[in-house]
Amino acid sequence: AQTVTQSQPEMSVQEAETVTLSCTYDTSESDYYLFWYKQPPSRQMILVIRQEAYKQQNATENRFSVNFQKAAKSFSLKISDSQLGDAAMYFCAYRSPIRGTGNQFYFGTGTSLTVIP
Amino acid sequence: NAGVTQTPKFRILKIGQSMTLQCAQDMNHNYMYWYRQDPGMGLKLIYYSVGAGITDKGEVPNGYNVSRSTTEDFPLRLELAAPSQTSVYFCASSYSTWGETQYFGPGTRLLVL
Repeated sequence: AQTVTQSQPEMSVQEAETVTLSCTYDTSESDYYLFWYKQPPSRQMILVIRQEAYKQQNATENRFSVNFQKAAKSFSLKISDSQLGDAAMYFCAYRSPIRGTGNQFYFGTGTSLTVIP
Repeated sequence: NAGVTQTPKFRILKIGQSMTLQCAQDMNHNYMYWYRQDPGMGLKLIYYSVGAGITDKGEVPNGYNVSRSTTEDFPLRLELAAPSQTSVYFCASSYSTWGETQYFGPGTRLLVL
């Protein structure tokens, strides 16, 4: 099974500053999808951003962007101009392209982000 | 659209009891999933379904059963509840095309005492 590693259990950032959350993964596949999900205290899982492995260009969504390094199997999330509402647990996820697994998602253990006013 | 809904939000079970966690989606998604999230951990896949009448095991299926009689509903059955099943359970759904985003329900918190 694929593994997804988030080595930073907790991070903090000053409001309006920039923070980067790290994620690495292990796979033998060449084509797959990567995701960042946000889980606020309400526990609802919310999609932040996704990246197709076959695309060279890094995905961006407003203040959120990724640094996708395919050879290094690294997928970090950068949050610019951090806001208090960004405080949450962030999960990195890998989606398998193998049909037999139901295109299964594999999740990291999460990074808890605190935003300091 | 309500998206993905789950009931109940919270439940306490005694060891050995059984219960069914309900999940429904109104987005006409073919794929549906059940995950559990233990404290400090990521989500682990319990079961998934690629369409009505088709289900398969995920990473941690022991102690659970599922059925998918309609596209909309995907209930998760716990038989003989054990303390190890104390967790938060998430249901999710997605379109059949791989690479599509999974949409999650709000979760069900289960405590087995």
